Amino acid sequence: DAKTTQPPSMDCAEGRAANLPCNHSTISGNEYVYWYRQIHSQGPQYIIHGLKNNETNEMASLIITEDRKSSTLILPHATLRDTAVYYCIVRVANAGNMLTFGGGTRLMVKP
Amino acid sequence: KAGVTQTPRYLIKTRGQQVTLSCSPISGHRSVSWYQQTPGQGLQFLFEYFSETQRNKGNFPGRFSGRQFSNSRSEMNVSTLELGDSALYLCASSLREAKNIQYFGAGTRLSVL
Repeated sequence: DAKTTQPPSMDCAEGRAANLPCNHSTISGNEYVYWYRQIHSQGPQYIIHGLKNNETNEMASLIITEDRKSSTLILPHATLRDTAVYYCIVRVANAGNMLTFGGGTRLMVKP
Repeated sequence: KAGVTQTPRYLIKTRGQQVTLSCSPISGHRSVSWYQQTPGQGLQFLFEYFSETQRNKGNFPGRFSGRQFSNSRSEMNVSTLELGDSALYLCASSLREAKNIQYFGAGTRLSVL
């Protein structure tokens, strides 16, 4: 799996967009970018994933740069309930369900 | 649809004992993975089961073992508990075709005294 680098912590004002960056400069052509989050005392929750195109679902948007060396997870209107640790994971799609979680970014949404 | 269920939620054991944790996956999910989460090491992969077969194993000693039953329910066992085994143990299930999209349970918090 390609190594990922995320800032250890970020703050965001409630109602504003939260933009969480992830660097994965050694990503291979067949590796996807996955985002999970873990709210305190709960199990991780899948958010979104993508290969090269930008993706959007009901939770978030994923923007992947053209060279695929970095990506940004966007929570368009952050709420207090979005306070969590966000993990960016890069992995091929067909190598078994064994995710490697790094340190993630601790997002604090403030009123 | 019910989520991933892990039992028990909390467990206290003493060093040297053994423990068995249980996981019931989402209905229809046949892949079950286990993770250990500690403050020092973060989230680490233990093993993955699919159709009662272990497909992948993380870098943990042989004291950590698991199995999966024909109904996809899974158990993990830790023998000869050590203080360092105190952790949150998380189970995740997924559809075989939805690689790396896993649904996690709330975990079992194990304290070893």
